[in-house]
Amino acid sequence: EADIYQTPRYLVIGTGKKITLECSQTMGHDKMYWYQQDPGMELHLIHYSYGVNSTEKGDLSSESTVSRIRTEHFPLTLESARPSHTSQYLCASSDRGPVETQYFGPGTRLLVL
Amino acid sequence: SQKIEQNSEALNIQEGKTATLTCNYTNYSPAYLQWYRQDPGRGPVFLLLIRENEKEKRKERLKVTFDTTLKQSLFHITASQPADSATYLCAILSAGNNRKLIWGLGTSLAVNP
Repeated sequence: EADIYQTPRYLVIGTGKKITLECSQTMGHDKMYWYQQDPGMELHLIHYSYGVNSTEKGDLSSESTVSRIRTEHFPLTLESARPSHTSQYLCASSDRGPVETQYFGPGTRLLVL
Repeated sequence: SQKIEQNSEALNIQEGKTATLTCNYTNYSPAYLQWYRQDPGRGPVFLLLIRENEKEKRKERLKVTFDTTLKQSLFHITASQPADSATYLCAILSAGNNRKLIWGLGTSLAVNP
């Protein structure tokens, strides 16, 4: 079954640690996205990719980085986690069509102590 | 820039009634408008898409209207159930070359038994 996966679902980590949030999709979608969302707040696009070796920064400035070496995989990395990075991170993908309907993973809830 | 406004106040209704949520947009005439459902701690789930040349779209108990003159979409849930309680977001595709989805903040719906 085609789907989009995120791991870990929950992560508690100390300040200064390097973390990588994983996102994989089996739908063969070219476009992938990372959003940041705090409880009750709006979705903020932080990174997106239109295909392999393509990455762009989103509307919200983020200290994280992303890579797109394979179509199905779009990991997000924080080199040095800080308490201000505490949030929920949502990965999504969409196909090449004109509509851009997005399919979301279950999210990673990150807590930096 | 393109902007979306949704009812900021939570909507509380009794089970069995029709819920109506509003999405207004400015500075743009999108070709498509999408509605998503988001449950707490989860990613949004696509529900319905309506095109600019469609006045109305239905899917089971859901109905979406699209008034391009008023720059407004209405989202209706008929015969509402407590399981319909969630946040509902509308989204439009931005203009220009690097098109991205622009998201509303969402309206929280609570259906009381």
